[in-house]
Amino acid sequence: NAGVTQTPKFRILKIGQSMTLQCTQDMNHNYMYWYRQDPGMGLKLIYYSVGAGITDKGEVPNGYNVSRSTTEDFPLRLELAAPSQTSVYFCASRPDIGANVLTFGAGSRLTVL
Amino acid sequence: GENVEQHPSTLSVQEGDSAVIKCTYSDSASNYFPWYKQELGKRPQLIIDIRSNVGEKKDQRIAVTLNKTAKHFSLHITETQPEDSAVYFCAAIPDTGRRALTFGSGTRLQVQP
Repeated sequence: NAGVTQTPKFRILKIGQSMTLQCTQDMNHNYMYWYRQDPGMGLKLIYYSVGAGITDKGEVPNGYNVSRSTTEDFPLRLELAAPSQTSVYFCASRPDIGANVLTFGAGSRLTVL
Repeated sequence: GENVEQHPSTLSVQEGDSAVIKCTYSDSASNYFPWYKQELGKRPQLIIDIRSNVGEKKDQRIAVTLNKTAKHFSLHITETQPEDSAVYFCAAIPDTGRRALTFGSGTRLQVQP
């Protein structure tokens, strides 16, 4: 049982490049989330999903896209990277509405130059 | 949506002293309030949580109190130790609407030996 796995751990992008942050969980959790954490700040919700095929925007969705084709996977896509997207990205999951404890991935540190 | 404010942003105490971190929330539908500890370069880790039908919860040196009427909750750490040094985040989540944790901005706790 690996929990929530994120890849890559580190990545440097040039302005305008695109990339996908991968997130997969093996706990059969319905709810999955993407948060970003800027230096010295709290976590801001980017997108979330309550099950396969269902996604919704969070507080800061601009510049990102997500998909949820399976229960296990919840990739985050950056289409045109900008310096403002330099951050640490955390994926998290939880079973369902009755269980609020989040399991976090180890994070992906992204730098856009 | 939910808005969570957290104070203070930094807190320095002497080893053995107590530390208190306070949070307020805006959405009266929020009913679950976790606290996370984040060490440098690591993922947030749940340390204690409280549900809206409980006023106080304690786990060894850590306690959380909740005042639903005033919409605020607090983390209390007694007999602080150097290993308590970290950033602490409060969060809140409702059972309706956006079913995702909203985090406070964090408190950096420094315990001086």
